[in-house]
Amino acid sequence: GQQVMQIPQYQHVQEGEDFTTYCNSSTTLSNIQWYKQRPGGHPVFLIQLVKSGEVKKQKRLTFQFGEAKKNSSLHITATQTTDVGTYFCAGRGQAGTALIFGKGTTLSVSS
Amino acid sequence: ETGVTQTPRHLVMGMTNKKSLKCEQHLGHNAMYWYKQSAKKPLELMFVYSLEERVENNSVPSRFSPECPNSSHLFLHLHTLQPEDSALYLCASSQGPSGGAYEQFFGPGTRLTVL
Repeated sequence: GQQVMQIPQYQHVQEGEDFTTYCNSSTTLSNIQWYKQRPGGHPVFLIQLVKSGEVKKQKRLTFQFGEAKKNSSLHITATQTTDVGTYFCAGRGQAGTALIFGKGTTLSVSS
Repeated sequence: ETGVTQTPRHLVMGMTNKKSLKCEQHLGHNAMYWYKQSAKKPLELMFVYSLEERVENNSVPSRFSPECPNSSHLFLHLHTLQPEDSALYLCASSQGPSGGAYEQFFGPGTRLTVL
């Protein structure tokens, strides 16, 4: 079945450093979504990518969808302590199928 | 606030108990979901309801029984659970019936502990 792999599982950075998490699917995706879950909280939607090679930015966050629509990345520039949490990617295979979530990357930031 | 509420927020139950989790969405969405979140595991989709009909059931044990009486409410009935069922149970909703195409709004979750 479809699998979504996410690396790294954990990442610790100093405040101000950059951070990247990668998401890879075993199959071509129709779309990919990214969520953030703060410690003790619940997942909150960040963005959805649909087009091959798509790049979207939200302030310090940059999201990319691979040309083959099988991988994606989230890059945070100059991390802040407010970026702490677990970042999940979630991909959808064929139309009508449910999202498959990756295991997430947990980011910690020290000041 | 996400517009999705869940009760109770915490639940401790014995293996012989029967309990229910409740989820309510105030967003006018058509689809609702139950997820299980365990430590070191990805979010596991349990059930999907679209327009009050179950459209997906990911081989969940029968000790978990969902109910969707209307498009705003979703229940998860629990009975004779096992300790390995201890987890955070998240409810979510989305606008469209095709679950993966729309962003999902999650509730705060119910932290379940089975003794």
